[in-house]
Amino acid sequence: IAGITQAPTSQILAAGRRMTLRCTQDMRHNAMYWYRQDLGLGLRLIHYSNTAGTTGKGEVPDGYSVSRANTDDFPLTLASAVPSQTSVYFCASSEAGDGNQPQHFGDGTRLSIL
Amino acid sequence: GQNIDQPTEMTATEGAIVQINCTYQTSGFNGLFWYQQHAGEAPTFLSYNVLDGLEEKGRFSSFLSRSKGYSYLLLKELQMKDSASYLCAVMDSNYQLIWGAGTKLIIKP
Repeated sequence: IAGITQAPTSQILAAGRRMTLRCTQDMRHNAMYWYRQDLGLGLRLIHYSNTAGTTGKGEVPDGYSVSRANTDDFPLTLASAVPSQTSVYFCASSEAGDGNQPQHFGDGTRLSIL
Repeated sequence: GQNIDQPTEMTATEGAIVQINCTYQTSGFNGLFWYQQHAGEAPTFLSYNVLDGLEEKGRFSSFLSRSKGYSYLLLKELQMKDSASYLCAVMDSNYQLIWGAGTKLIIKP
C-alpha cells in the first residue's frame, strides 16, 4: 500500500542522546516535511524539502537537522535531545512544494525525552 | 505574525449538522485546507479552497471568504465516526502551511 512510513512508532530517550526519526515515502512525491504536534498547538513545521538534495528551515528548526539524499527518504535527527523536544512528530509529503496538492501524513512518532 | 483561530471544542448530536469556523491572518494566501484527525492518528485531507465560495464533497462542505479571512467546514448527517479533531491550515506566500490548533468535535448519540 502506497504511503508514508515512519519509524519508530514511539521512543523514550534520555536527555543528551542522539536520535534519528526515519521517514520513507513510496509515492514519488517531490516535497517532504517534518512537523511536531503538541497539545493545544497547531502542527509546527520543523524542516522541509521541496526536492531531493535541498532542505529548508521551518518555524521551529533549532535542535533538529534533516537530509534528503534521495526522493524517498527524509530522516530527522535530534543531535542532543532535550525534554522540550518531547512531542509527536509527523512526516508528510506532497507532489510539489509550491502548489495546491494536499500533504499526506505518516502515522507519527511519539517521542518522550526524560 | 501569522494566526489561525478556530474553536477548541464543539459538541453536536448524531444526525445533526455542525459548522466549524476558522479565521486567519497570514502573510499571503495560496489556499486553505481542512484536515480530519482522529485521536492518536495522522491528519487526513478533507478539502481545499482557494477561490471564494462553497466546495461540496459528500456530507462535508467547505466555504471560503478571502476578503474576510474566514472559512468554515460544514458536516451534515453527523455520524459517531465523525468524532475527531478538525484542523484548518492556510498556505502562505512561501507555500508553507500555517496550522490552527484544531477543533475537537464530540458527537453525542
